[in-house]
Amino acid sequence: AQSVAQPEDQVNVAEGNPLTVKCTYSVSGNPYLFWYVQYPNRGLQFLLKYITGDNLVKGSYGFEAEFNKSQTSFHLKKPSALVSDSALYFCAVRVLTGGGNKLTFGTGTQLKVEL
Amino acid sequence: SQTIHQWPATLVQPVGSPLSLECTVEGTSNPNLYWYRQAAGRGLQLLFYSVGIGQISSEVPQNLSASRPQDRQFILSSKKLLLSDSGFYLCAWGTSTDTQYFGPGTRLTVL
Repeated sequence: AQSVAQPEDQVNVAEGNPLTVKCTYSVSGNPYLFWYVQYPNRGLQFLLKYITGDNLVKGSYGFEAEFNKSQTSFHLKKPSALVSDSALYFCAVRVLTGGGNKLTFGTGTQLKVEL
Repeated sequence: SQTIHQWPATLVQPVGSPLSLECTVEGTSNPNLYWYRQAAGRGLQLLFYSVGIGQISSEVPQNLSASRPQDRQFILSSKKLLLSDSGFYLCAWGTSTDTQYFGPGTRLTVL
């Protein structure tokens, strides 16, 4: 079964420092991988996705993610964190079905950026 | 551009009462549509998805149901709410490349 794992419930980082939010995946076939961000009491916002091509994917708000096939990972990164980046981050993988594909989400990682 | 609406934004209902949450999408045709629930904490649970009018797939057996009466309208319903139905309900629409875009959500509290 297709799945993703986010091993950290919470990540704390100082403003201005680089941040990494980890995600590993388990899929059969080529993975379609996604990152979303959720602010309190809001819907999820799409950040970026990997389908094929360059292993480094650039997305919204200065975020990027690195696809690593050998380590089955898709970690979210940002060179310099902002306090406003504090939010809940979800990794997701596409699940193929007979009709209408779905996304399976990880359990989420709470990012806290402090001054 | 595409937009997705959900209403109401918040809802407080007594146990045993009916429920109807509505989701509409603008700016796209024949989207895949999804209902999720996010319980206290953080996990997202897919409840229903639809690939077309009248086509509903249920992911989890429960006392909720979904309908898609029009191409860009997705409705989540219940005849009798349970305490365990409380949560944050999110609607999403999906593109051909499987990216999903989410609505603002409905906070449901069942008392």
